[in-house]
Amino acid sequence: EAGVTQSPTHLIKTRGQQVTLRCSPISGHTSVYWYQQALGLGLQFLLWYDEGEERNRGNFPPRFSGRQFPNYSSELNVNALELEDSALYLCASSSTGLFFLYNEQFFGPGTRLTVL
Amino acid sequence: GESVGLHLPTLSVQEGDNSIINCAYSNSASDYFIWYKQESGKGPQFIIDIRSNMDKRQGQRVTVLLNKTVKHLSLQIAATQPGDSAVYFCAVFNDYKLSFGAGTTVTVRA
Repeated sequence: EAGVTQSPTHLIKTRGQQVTLRCSPISGHTSVYWYQQALGLGLQFLLWYDEGEERNRGNFPPRFSGRQFPNYSSELNVNALELEDSALYLCASSSTGLFFLYNEQFFGPGTRLTVL
Repeated sequence: GESVGLHLPTLSVQEGDNSIINCAYSNSASDYFIWYKQESGKGPQFIIDIRSNMDKRQGQRVTVLLNKTVKHLSLQIAATQPGDSAVYFCAVFNDYKLSFGAGTTVTVRA
């Protein structure tokens, strides 16, 4: 069974540009999560999508946004890139996360974004 | 909210010895805790979890201990092997999101 896939693997942008990152969840999973992992730091929760809806959002400015498509794949968009946006962006998927009990999140390999 | 901290950013351990990685959390209402392992160039991988109604859980060569009184979590790895070299994160599930610690880098010496 294929795991979570992300594209592209690496990306270099300049300050002020916009970027779109893509994630395909494990087949049958309806929830997609996005995390930012800056160098040497832990993962910071960005966004959670389930059944096409944004369910939760971390402490990030509005220029971080995304969406989930009917096939449950997801995009993360970052506008007006800043130097500190340089990080590894990880996507995870799980079966529906709407219930109280946690459903294990499976992570993709990430997209390494460098902002110059 | 929730803040999660790790006690040591790095840990060097002799192959065959036991490793202990510690983590502290802030929210006493947190009820689900997970340890992840992240190898270079890969996303985090689930190791073991524990719910707040337990204080110990064992897996294959790993044990997680939860002390809710002091809000402390630890991961013990028995007979550490070279393949255990990685960054280890504790994560706390709260309010429909995971909060991660900064990670402990474990290096196994031959």
